[in-house]
Amino acid sequence: DAGVIQSPRHEVTEMGQEVTLRCKPISGHDYLFWYRQTMMRGLELLIYFNNNVPIDDSGMPEDRFSAKMPNASFSTLKIQPSEPRDSAVYFCASSVRINEKLFFGSGTQLSVL
Amino acid sequence: DQQVKQNSPSLSVQEGRISILNCDYTNSMFDYFLWYKKYPAEGPTFLISISSIKDKNEDGRFTVFLNKSAKHLSLHIVPSQPGDSAVYFCAATKYNFNKFYFGSGTKLNVKP
Repeated sequence: DAGVIQSPRHEVTEMGQEVTLRCKPISGHDYLFWYRQTMMRGLELLIYFNNNVPIDDSGMPEDRFSAKMPNASFSTLKIQPSEPRDSAVYFCASSVRINEKLFFGSGTQLSVL
Repeated sequence: DQQVKQNSPSLSVQEGRISILNCDYTNSMFDYFLWYKKYPAEGPTFLISISSIKDKNEDGRFTVFLNKSAKHLSLHIVPSQPGDSAVYFCAATKYNFNKFYFGSGTKLNVKP
């Protein structure tokens, strides 16, 4: 298996622009998570899905952030409009069951200028 | 508020010596703990875990110790190797919490 695949690896954009991050989880994993890593707060859970349904989005910072999972093999995290404070590494992860070990993608390094 | 804390942002150890990474948690309901290792430009990868019914779990050079009364866990790496240089995250959860709480990470540098 190729593991969790994220794209793009790097994204540089200007403040106010829309940013879309993409994730393909491991086949057969029923749970998909979006995390954000910053120096100050470490790894924060933004949202997670179970069988394509959003379960907990309490970590999404504000309405500028949205996430979708239209099918079992694809999810997006969108930021519109983006702001410099959104600059971070965004990770997607998947797992077979909740509270089992997570398999992370390589992340998307987002820089908002 | 951070329920899982790694108070040492970095640690430097000589090759062959022991590395000890520490993690504290505040929620006494946590009953499952994990350590992840992260290399630059890669995602975190699972390293080792421990359930609260145990106080020690060993896997090769890696051992995790859990002290429930102190709400503290530690990861021991013996002997340390240069390839162990990475950022280490601890994480904690409880069955019905449905999420992992991560620490902020400790960057380990193993010097040859």
